[in-house]
Amino acid sequence: SQTIHQWPATLVQPVGSPLSLECTVEGTSNPNLYWYRQAAGRGLQLLFYSVGIGQISSEVPQNLSASRPQDRQFILSSKKLLLSDSGFYLCAWAGDPYGYTFGSGTRLTVV
Amino acid sequence: AQSVTQLDSQVPVFEEAPVELRCNYSSSVSVYLFWYVQYPNQGLQLLLKYLSGSTLVKGINGFEAEFNKSQTSFHLRKPSVHISDTAEYFCAVSDRSSGSARQLTFGSGTQLTVLP
Repeated sequence: SQTIHQWPATLVQPVGSPLSLECTVEGTSNPNLYWYRQAAGRGLQLLFYSVGIGQISSEVPQNLSASRPQDRQFILSSKKLLLSDSGFYLCAWAGDPYGYTFGSGTRLTVV
Repeated sequence: AQSVTQLDSQVPVFEEAPVELRCNYSSSVSVYLFWYVQYPNQGLQLLLKYLSGSTLVKGINGFEAEFNKSQTSFHLRKPSVHISDTAEYFCAVSDRSSGSARQLTFGSGTQLTVLP
């Protein structure tokens, strides 16, 4: 069966520290992958999407970057976190027919 | 390009009462329509989707939604809610013609709070 894993579940990081969030998909090949962010009281903001290894599209200019080093791995990174990077980060893949399957999310608090 | 409007950011309702969460969309092409539910600190879970056929779609947990093409709406309903239905609900659309490059456009969400 196909599953999506996202970790860590929660993360508290100081301002200026680096960030690496990982998302992996099992049971499929060449998935379309997405990173979303939810800030408190706001909807889903698409940050990045990828249709293949090394192919990253950025939707919003910001302090974050994404990489796709392997077919089923999608990484969200930052060199120096800002307070405004706090939020709930969700990885998704276009696995459900015509829709998305979401990971369980990472709650990031920048202090 | 598509857009999705969820008219109510918060909907409080008493337990066992009916509820309707409203969703309107705008698109120049035919779309697929979705409702997702998000419980606190969890990812989004698919409730139901409209792809084609009958405009009344039944989903999990007793929810249903009706696609109204003329009004470009896809409202979510449940005849009797439970405390456990308290969650945030997202409406979403995708372009039918986008194929493997499909992207979902989400509404801003509706927080449903079921009161005892």
